[in-house]
Amino acid sequence: DQQVKQNSPSLSVQEGRISILNCDYTNSMFDYFLWYKKYPAEGPTFLISISSIKDKNEDGRFTVFLNKSAKHLSLHIVPSQPGDSAVYFCAARGGVQGAQKLVFGQGTRLTINP
Amino acid sequence: ETGVTQSPTHLIKTRGQQVTLRCSSQSGHNTVSWYQQALGQGPQFIFQYYREEENGRGNFPPRFSGLQFPNYSSELNVNALELDDSALYLCASSSGRLMNTEAFFGQGTRLTVV
Repeated sequence: DQQVKQNSPSLSVQEGRISILNCDYTNSMFDYFLWYKKYPAEGPTFLISISSIKDKNEDGRFTVFLNKSAKHLSLHIVPSQPGDSAVYFCAARGGVQGAQKLVFGQGTRLTINP
Repeated sequence: ETGVTQSPTHLIKTRGQQVTLRCSSQSGHNTVSWYQQALGQGPQFIFQYYREEENGRGNFPPRFSGLQFPNYSSELNVNALELDDSALYLCASSSGRLMNTEAFFGQGTRLTVV
């Protein structure tokens, strides 16, 4: 039962262009969505988040869009830089017996080509 | 650097053995969550500890157990290891029960069961 899905295992983008990473979810009770970035041999690093009551949040080159009716969110990176090459995880916050666990997607490997 | 450290970084165990993984939380954080990340998958929630008590558990069998100490460091214990337990184990620390943007992940422990 995959409640959070990232259907693209990989994405390749040219440096300077826009990267768009997508994520779909099924549980309407999720109240917070987050994007994490992961380099090899490191733990996930928080990138940007959005509350379920908003539809857009922007932080520098990173913007997250939330479409609640479609249960879809996306991360836009503009302009893309070589250092953005990493695995990106979408995560949703949901309660489990009082604990606010994070439910992660499978990840999308983003490669930025010079 | 997040201030969350895990030990050991790599470990090889034999099927049927027991293993203990350790996590030192970020200073001031009283909540720790453990995740299992299998190859090619996103992290999956194992359980969460808040002020030394278990505060929610994912779909993992009882042979996965944990402890949180008064200094908020934590252990994950796995008994009767199975081959499918081979994965990257991540801990994340935060302040309060909510897994929000202030959750910081360690670099993980890579467990291989042979």
